[in-house]
Amino acid sequence: QKEVEQNSGPLSVPEGAIASLNCTYSDRGSQSFFWYRQYSGKSPELIMFIYSNGDKEDGRFTAQLNKASQYVSLLIRDSQPSDSATYLCAVDRGGSQGNLIFGKGTKLSVKP
Amino acid sequence: GAVVSQHPSRVICKSGTSVKIECRSLDFQATTMFWYRQFPKQSLMLMATSNEGSKATYEQGVEKDKFLINHASLTLSTLTVTSAHPEDSSFYICSAILAGGSSGANVLTFGAGSRLTVL
Repeated sequence: QKEVEQNSGPLSVPEGAIASLNCTYSDRGSQSFFWYRQYSGKSPELIMFIYSNGDKEDGRFTAQLNKASQYVSLLIRDSQPSDSATYLCAVDRGGSQGNLIFGKGTKLSVKP
Repeated sequence: GAVVSQHPSRVICKSGTSVKIECRSLDFQATTMFWYRQFPKQSLMLMATSNEGSKATYEQGVEKDKFLINHASLTLSTLTVTSAHPEDSSFYICSAILAGGSSGANVLTFGAGSRLTVL
Protein backbone atom coordinates (compact mmCIF):
# COMPACT_ATOMS: atom_id res chain seq x y z
CA GLN A 1 0.00 0.00 0.00
CA LYS A 2 1.34 3.37 -1.02
CA GLU A 3 1.99 5.56 1.98
CA VAL A 4 3.21 8.95 3.05
CA GLU A 5 4.64 9.14 6.54
CA GLN A 6 5.07 12.19 8.72
CA ASN A 7 5.88 12.72 12.35
CA SER A 8 2.62 13.91 13.87
CA GLY A 9 4.36 16.20 16.34
CA PRO A 10 3.61 18.54 17.84
CA LEU A 11 6.80 20.28 16.80
CA SER A 12 7.41 23.32 18.95
CA VAL A 13 9.92 26.00 17.98
CA PRO A 14 10.54 29.51 19.30
CA GLU A 15 9.72 32.50 17.16
CA GLY A 16 12.55 33.28 14.75
CA ALA A 17 13.92 29.74 14.72
CA ILE A 18 14.04 27.30 11.82
CA ALA A 19 11.31 24.66 11.72
CA SER A 20 12.18 21.43 9.95
CA LEU A 21 9.38 19.16 8.75
CA ASN A 22 10.06 15.75 7.28
CA CYS A 23 8.20 13.28 5.12
CA THR A 24 8.91 9.90 3.57
CA TYR A 25 6.94 8.19 0.83
CA SER A 26 6.76 4.65 -0.47
CA ASP A 27 5.83 4.99 -4.15
CA ARG A 28 8.97 5.31 -6.29
CA GLY A 29 6.76 6.22 -9.23
CA SER A 30 5.72 9.49 -7.64
CA GLN A 31 6.87 12.55 -9.53
CA SER A 32 5.33 15.52 -7.75
CA PHE A 33 5.65 16.46 -4.12
CA PHE A 34 3.66 19.05 -2.27
CA TRP A 35 3.54 20.76 1.07
CA TYR A 36 0.18 22.09 2.22
CA ARG A 37 -0.59 24.11 5.32
CA GLN A 38 -3.87 23.48 7.11
CA TYR A 39 -5.18 25.65 9.89
CA SER A 40 -7.62 24.05 12.29
CA GLY A 41 -11.04 23.66 10.73
CA LYS A 42 -9.88 24.93 7.35
CA SER A 43 -9.00 23.29 4.07
CA PRO A 44 -5.38 22.88 2.98
CA GLU A 45 -3.56 25.63 1.16
CA LEU A 46 -0.53 25.01 -1.01
CA ILE A 47 2.80 26.18 0.38
CA MET A 48 5.23 24.69 -2.08
CA PHE A 49 5.69 21.97 -4.64
CA ILE A 50 8.86 20.32 -5.88
CA TYR A 51 9.50 17.98 -8.77
CA SER A 52 13.29 17.65 -8.98
CA ASN A 53 15.93 16.45 -6.59
CA GLY A 54 17.56 19.17 -4.56
CA ASP A 55 16.35 22.34 -2.92
CA LYS A 56 13.69 24.81 -3.93
CA GLU A 57 13.38 28.10 -2.10
CA ASP A 58 10.41 30.44 -1.91
CA GLY A 59 10.73 33.25 0.60
CA ARG A 60 11.08 31.76 4.07
CA PHE A 61 10.28 28.27 2.82
CA THR A 62 12.67 25.72 1.37
CA ALA A 63 11.57 22.34 0.10
CA GLN A 64 14.13 19.57 -0.25
CA LEU A 65 13.67 16.41 -2.26
CA ASN A 66 15.78 13.26 -2.32
CA LYS A 67 14.15 10.69 -4.58
CA ALA A 68 16.80 8.06 -3.92
CA SER A 69 15.95 8.16 -0.22
CA GLN A 70 12.25 8.82 -0.90
CA TYR A 71 12.40 11.78 1.38
CA VAL A 72 11.03 15.29 1.17
CA SER A 73 11.32 18.03 3.74
CA LEU A 74 10.19 21.58 4.36
CA LEU A 75 12.26 24.18 6.18
CA ILE A 76 10.64 27.32 7.52
CA ARG A 77 13.10 30.07 8.38
CA ASP A 78 12.37 32.88 10.81
CA SER A 79 9.31 31.02 12.07
CA GLN A 80 6.37 33.20 13.08
CA PRO A 81 3.44 32.43 15.38
CA SER A 82 1.22 32.68 12.29
CA ASP A 83 3.06 29.66 10.89
CA SER A 84 1.48 27.55 13.62
CA ALA A 85 -0.61 25.00 11.75
CA THR A 86 -0.59 21.42 10.56
CA TYR A 87 1.67 20.83 7.57
CA LEU A 88 0.62 18.12 5.17
CA CYS A 89 3.01 16.35 2.86
CA ALA A 90 1.38 15.06 -0.32
CA VAL A 91 2.69 12.91 -3.11
CA ASP A 92 1.11 12.17 -6.45
CA ARG A 93 -0.03 8.65 -7.04
CA GLY A 94 2.21 7.29 -9.75
CA GLY A 95 2.33 10.54 -11.67
CA SER A 96 -1.41 11.16 -11.63
CA GLN A 97 -2.19 14.84 -11.21
CA GLY A 98 -4.82 15.56 -8.62
CA ASN A 99 -4.75 12.06 -7.19
CA LEU A 100 -2.62 12.77 -4.17
CA ILE A 101 -1.69 10.68 -1.18
CA PHE A 102 -1.52 12.78 1.96
CA GLY A 103 0.39 12.20 5.13
CA LYS A 104 -1.39 12.73 8.43
CA GLY A 105 0.43 15.99 8.91
CA THR A 106 2.84 17.49 11.41
CA LYS A 107 1.47 20.00 13.84
CA LEU A 108 3.79 22.97 14.21
CA SER A 109 3.60 25.38 17.12
CA VAL A 110 5.68 28.56 17.02
CA LYS A 111 5.99 30.11 20.45
CA PRO A 112 6.31 33.92 20.72
CA GLY B 1 -9.75 35.21 -3.83
CA ALA B 2 -10.79 31.60 -3.81
CA VAL B 3 -10.74 29.86 -7.18
CA VAL B 4 -12.69 26.82 -5.99
CA SER B 5 -15.91 27.62 -4.21
CA GLN B 6 -17.63 25.06 -2.02
CA HIS B 7 -21.05 25.26 -0.41
CA PRO B 8 -22.31 24.80 2.24
CA SER B 9 -19.43 25.25 4.66
CA ARG B 10 -21.32 23.55 7.45
CA VAL B 11 -24.33 21.33 7.50
CA ILE B 12 -26.08 19.46 10.26
CA CYS B 13 -28.65 16.86 9.34
CA LYS B 14 -30.63 14.04 10.84
CA SER B 15 -29.67 10.45 10.29
CA GLY B 16 -31.27 9.03 7.16
CA THR B 17 -31.49 12.27 5.24
CA SER B 18 -29.48 13.25 2.17
CA VAL B 19 -27.11 16.17 1.89
CA LYS B 20 -25.80 17.83 -1.25
CA ILE B 21 -22.48 19.65 -1.41
CA GLU B 22 -21.60 21.88 -4.35
CA CYS B 23 -18.18 22.62 -5.73
CA ARG B 24 -17.65 25.33 -8.33
CA SER B 25 -14.57 26.40 -10.19
CA LEU B 26 -14.45 30.16 -10.51
CA ASP B 27 -13.01 31.78 -13.61
CA PHE B 28 -11.73 28.51 -15.01
CA GLN B 29 -13.12 25.29 -16.39
CA ALA B 30 -12.45 22.08 -14.55
CA THR B 31 -13.09 18.93 -16.53
CA THR B 32 -11.94 16.98 -13.53
CA MET B 33 -12.60 17.63 -9.86
CA PHE B 34 -11.63 15.58 -6.87
CA TRP B 35 -13.53 14.87 -3.67
CA TYR B 36 -11.57 14.25 -0.51
CA ARG B 37 -12.71 13.40 3.00
CA GLN B 38 -10.89 14.09 6.25
CA PHE B 39 -11.79 12.62 9.62
CA PRO B 40 -10.49 14.34 12.78
CA LYS B 41 -6.73 14.04 13.20
CA GLN B 42 -6.52 11.98 10.01
CA SER B 43 -5.10 12.65 6.60
CA LEU B 44 -7.12 13.62 3.59
CA MET B 45 -8.36 10.61 1.69
CA LEU B 46 -9.42 10.74 -1.92
CA MET B 47 -12.98 9.53 -2.30
CA ALA B 48 -13.57 9.93 -6.00
CA THR B 49 -12.56 11.67 -9.17
CA SER B 50 -15.38 13.58 -10.80
CA ASN B 51 -15.29 13.78 -14.59
CA GLU B 52 -17.42 16.23 -16.53
CA GLY B 53 -19.96 14.46 -18.65
CA SER B 54 -19.10 10.97 -17.47
CA LYS B 55 -19.28 8.75 -14.45
CA ALA B 56 -17.13 9.43 -11.44
CA THR B 57 -14.27 7.12 -10.56
CA TYR B 58 -14.49 5.94 -6.97
CA GLU B 59 -11.64 4.86 -4.77
CA GLN B 60 -11.65 1.42 -3.25
CA GLY B 61 -13.96 1.18 -0.28
CA VAL B 62 -16.09 4.21 -1.20
CA GLU B 63 -19.71 3.31 -1.91
CA LYS B 64 -20.78 4.89 -5.18
CA ASP B 65 -24.47 4.46 -4.37
CA LYS B 66 -24.04 6.30 -1.11
CA PHE B 67 -21.84 9.12 -2.35
CA LEU B 68 -23.42 10.31 -5.57
CA ILE B 69 -21.29 12.56 -7.72
CA ASN B 70 -22.59 14.63 -10.60
CA HIS B 71 -20.36 16.75 -12.79
CA ALA B 72 -22.87 18.22 -15.18
CA SER B 73 -20.89 21.23 -16.31
CA LEU B 74 -17.31 22.36 -16.61
CA THR B 75 -17.63 24.50 -13.50
CA LEU B 76 -19.82 22.47 -11.15
CA SER B 77 -19.52 19.15 -9.39
CA THR B 78 -21.87 17.99 -6.67
CA LEU B 79 -21.51 15.34 -3.99
CA THR B 80 -24.67 13.96 -2.45
CA VAL B 81 -24.38 11.92 0.70
CA THR B 82 -27.46 9.74 0.64
CA SER B 83 -29.09 8.32 3.75
CA ALA B 84 -26.44 9.90 5.92
CA HIS B 85 -25.44 8.28 9.19
CA PRO B 86 -23.35 9.57 12.09
CA GLU B 87 -20.28 7.73 10.79
CA ASP B 88 -20.47 9.89 7.64
CA SER B 89 -19.78 12.96 9.76
CA SER B 90 -16.57 14.35 8.35
CA PHE B 91 -14.91 17.24 6.54
CA TYR B 92 -15.54 16.94 2.81
CA ILE B 93 -13.27 18.94 0.54
CA CYS B 94 -13.43 19.32 -3.21
CA SER B 95 -10.52 20.28 -5.38
CA ALA B 96 -9.57 21.01 -8.93
CA ILE B 97 -6.37 21.35 -10.85
CA LEU B 98 -5.60 24.97 -11.57
CA ALA B 99 -3.53 24.89 -14.71
CA GLY B 100 -0.57 27.23 -14.74
CA GLY B 101 -1.63 29.03 -11.52
CA SER B 102 0.38 31.80 -9.92
CA SER B 103 3.29 29.39 -9.61
CA GLY B 104 3.19 28.53 -13.27
CA ALA B 105 2.57 24.88 -12.55
CA ASN B 106 -0.53 22.74 -12.49
CA VAL B 107 -1.45 22.36 -8.85
CA LEU B 108 -4.35 20.98 -6.91
CA THR B 109 -6.42 23.74 -5.36
CA PHE B 110 -8.92 23.04 -2.62
CA GLY B 111 -12.29 24.48 -1.83
CA ALA B 112 -12.95 25.70 1.70
CA GLY B 113 -14.50 22.39 2.69
CA SER B 114 -17.86 21.32 4.05
CA ARG B 115 -18.17 20.05 7.57
CA LEU B 116 -20.98 17.52 7.79
CA THR B 117 -22.46 16.52 11.13
CA VAL B 118 -25.05 13.79 11.12
CA LEU B 119 -27.10 13.54 14.29
